Amino acid sequence: DTGVSQDPRHKITKRGQNVTFRCDPISEHNRLYWYRQTLGQGPEFLTYFQNEAQLEKSRLLSDRFSAERPKGSFSTLEIQRTEQGDSAMYLCASSLEMGNEQYFGPGTRLTVT
Amino acid sequence: AQTVTQSQPEMSVQEAETVTLSCTYDTSESDYYLFWYKQPPSRQMILVIRQEAYKQQNATENRFSVNFQKAAKSFSLKISDSQLGDAAMYFCAYRSAFVSSFGNEKLTFGTGTRLTIIP
Repeated sequence: DTGVSQDPRHKITKRGQNVTFRCDPISEHNRLYWYRQTLGQGPEFLTYFQNEAQLEKSRLLSDRFSAERPKGSFSTLEIQRTEQGDSAMYLCASSLEMGNEQYFGPGTRLTVT
Repeated sequence: AQTVTQSQPEMSVQEAETVTLSCTYDTSESDYYLFWYKQPPSRQMILVIRQEAYKQQNATENRFSVNFQKAAKSFSLKISDSQLGDAAMYFCAYRSAFVSSFGNEKLTFGTGTRLTIIP
């Protein structure tokens, strides 16, 4: 059990560029969550998957955001046409089953210049 | 929608002393879970303690305990014998116990309390 991993850990991009983040959950965890954390705030829910199915999306997830989890393993979060307001820490978490503890990854810090 | 409020942006405590972090929440649901998560500087968030709303007994994990007051919608965290390694951001979080096939498993977090340990 190596824990939840995220790649990259840091990303600096220019406004208008597209970025993609990857999350690898703990093996056999069928639930995977994405959160966004801005400076001085708690994490805010973006979306989550049960296996490959995306079950819930927050209204924070605008049309520029898309998430996938092909084959129910790793997940990617893509942001198109980045804006300065997208600068944040993007956290991924996974859990084994409904109602179980969510284990968090180290996060990807995005800076949009 | 549920909300979680942490009214103490920062707290400090002398090493080996006891500190209590406050959390209040608002919900119309009768069954839910409450959590305290710890986020050390530049490190990932880890679960400290969890409380099921239907349980009257307060949860305890070693030096960490909670005071859960359901009627008052209050959920405070007490850290006894504070250690330098306890320095971190602490987040209170809520999750509904009513999970449907369409979701509702998300955590709702407060804004956090930064805890400093004074040697």
